[in-house]
Amino acid sequence: GAVVSQHPSWVICKSGTSVKIECRSLDFQATTMFWYRQFPKQSLMLMATSNEGSKATYEQGVEKDKFLINHASLTLSTLTVTSAHPEDSSFYICSASGGRTTDTQYFGPGTRLTVL
Amino acid sequence: DAKTTQPTSMDCAEGRAANLPCNHSTISGNEYVYWYRQIHSQGPQYIIHGLKNNETNEMASLIITEDRKSSTLILPHATLRDTAVYYCIGRGGGSQGNLIFGKGTKLSVKP
Repeated sequence: GAVVSQHPSWVICKSGTSVKIECRSLDFQATTMFWYRQFPKQSLMLMATSNEGSKATYEQGVEKDKFLINHASLTLSTLTVTSAHPEDSSFYICSASGGRTTDTQYFGPGTRLTVL
Repeated sequence: DAKTTQPTSMDCAEGRAANLPCNHSTISGNEYVYWYRQIHSQGPQYIIHGLKNNETNEMASLIITEDRKSSTLILPHATLRDTAVYYCIGRGGGSQGNLIFGKGTKLSVKP
């Protein structure tokens, strides 16, 4: 299957700082990328969907000014958590697909964010 | 996207077949059934998907009932590494084919 990477795999930051997470599709062009968040013992929750070169579409309840998403190329999307607070501590996971609604989504390994 | 119902947990003996059921009685005609699994603290791993016909790949088999209201994922020879949460997801009708994750089935493979 296709390979998606994330960097960093884990990050610890102080409250009030910003953190950038990268998501890369390594062996295919990802027209569409998705960002999910997963709290302990819960399922994945979709945060936003982004298409290359377009603004991201955020799910209800997700603050677009706090979670900045950039999908500047067909292989890279970034999620920036701005002014992070302890409640933003979570497991952030990206996925990528070719763009058609029936294209399989392939997931990255996830990034564990801890905000102190 | 169709709502799916899965058992909360299942056990399976190592080396035996693991059969994971999923009900998706509201699935529409153009929605695929996707299966992913998530091993603890990792991103979900794609397993298999299908529309109407049964499907098989190197990981698993997917059996979809004729009325498409339910399906079964079969891991033919479960190993300890197959211990994970398995998600059955109906996909195709939503915006850009979003995946909506439910609670899934926690499969525990025991020696």
